[in-house]
Amino acid sequence: KQEVTQIPAALSVPEGENLVLNCSFTDSAIYNLQWFRQDPGKGLTSLLLIQSSQREQTSGRLNASLDKSSGRSTLYIAASQPGDSATYLCAVIMDSNYQLIWGAGTKLIIKP
Amino acid sequence: EADIYQTPRYLVIGTGKKITLECSQTMGHDKMYWYQQDPGMELHLIHYSYGVNSTEKGDLSSESTVSRIRTEHFPLTLESARPSHTSQYLCASSEYIGEWGAFFGQGTRLTVV
Repeated sequence: KQEVTQIPAALSVPEGENLVLNCSFTDSAIYNLQWFRQDPGKGLTSLLLIQSSQREQTSGRLNASLDKSSGRSTLYIAASQPGDSATYLCAVIMDSNYQLIWGAGTKLIIKP
Repeated sequence: EADIYQTPRYLVIGTGKKITLECSQTMGHDKMYWYQQDPGMELHLIHYSYGVNSTEKGDLSSESTVSRIRTEHFPLTLESARPSHTSQYLCASSEYIGEWGAFFGQGTRLTVV
């Protein structure tokens, strides 16, 4: 059974720092992996999608990498800003049934 | 920009009432999902659909029901609301053979009093 783990569960850093959020999964038979952000009480906004054949994707200050064989993905946020404060979730989409399997999220606070 | 809509955004309702949470998407996606999420907690899949006339229960037991009569529409119904149903309900959709991943609505925050 696929398990997705996100470390750390919470992170608080000063504005301007570069930071890395981690996501690991136990079953490498994934179709793709997706990173989301969720603001309090809101829905989820898709940030980046990495196909299983890809190694990384970039969007602005965000860079997500995927090492499928080792079951790991990282989300790199450059030059963090207070507006980046949110919960970041990763989800894998399984090859077998296209189900989304979720991590518990990392709650990020960027201090001004 | 994702075109998936949930209504209402907020709902406060009395115990015992029947409610339907609406979810519509205009992207022609085959797969649709309903998640339940308590504040600060994980997402739990309660229902999903592979396409028209296809519905399945998710990992979390739920007293709600769903229907999928049209591709774009995936409503969730609670026949008799209870305070334990108070939560946020998130609807999502994805392509069946996904290249673009999943898209989410803004959620419905339900409070049963």
